[in-house]
Amino acid sequence: ETGVTQTPRHLVMGMTNKKSLKCEQHLGHNAMYWYKQSAKKPLELMFVYNFKEQTENNSVPSRFSPECPNSSHLFLHLHTLQPEDSALYLCASSQDMVSGANVLTFGAGSRLTVL
Amino acid sequence: SQQGEEDPQALSIQEGENATMNCSYKTSINNLQWYRQNSGRGLVHLILIRSNEREKHSGRLRVTLDTSKKSSSLLITASRAADTASYFCAGANTGFQKLVFGTGTRLLVSP
Repeated sequence: ETGVTQTPRHLVMGMTNKKSLKCEQHLGHNAMYWYKQSAKKPLELMFVYNFKEQTENNSVPSRFSPECPNSSHLFLHLHTLQPEDSALYLCASSQDMVSGANVLTFGAGSRLTVL
Repeated sequence: SQQGEEDPQALSIQEGENATMNCSYKTSINNLQWYRQNSGRGLVHLILIRSNEREKHSGRLRVTLDTSKKSSSLLITASRAADTASYFCAGANTGFQKLVFGTGTRLLVSP
């Protein structure tokens, strides 16, 4: 295991459902990230939190709502999603955003299917 | 803007052969990193090369960086079937270091 745990690993939801993805890291890192990975597309950075403060919202639709209650936990709340939101959602963490090299540790991902 | 773009998109080789993947990026970087992803899993960091370095080695991995051409290459020597995965490069912008990834190179190593 990498020290970054994502749950659930698989999620199937309808367009009217509300669900949440959870990420937890045990590495003592201060920065956490959500990435979206769709087939044949580059990894898309969605949100970044550095010391619990959101520092990046990469023009993500409001149907995705992040929450970072502390440096160890990151959530992605999902509501009224579209089928094109089906993807692998990857959580990552790093020491922080500015100290030297920013090496990311990723979780195994949450595979989301929107029906 | 996309900071890492890998080439080729797919590469198929036999065990024991070397695999070379290339990466191009658009803007100035502080460092460039290579990651590996097994199917349906998260990415795993392989190696980092700083903008003032030209070459770096780690085990069977060799990375080069040419900042004048805004390009990098990853060489895996004596490949193994277990090296089958997708490989991504990511440039870290100067200042607030945000990693931006490309679409990856899918490497298939056949026994």
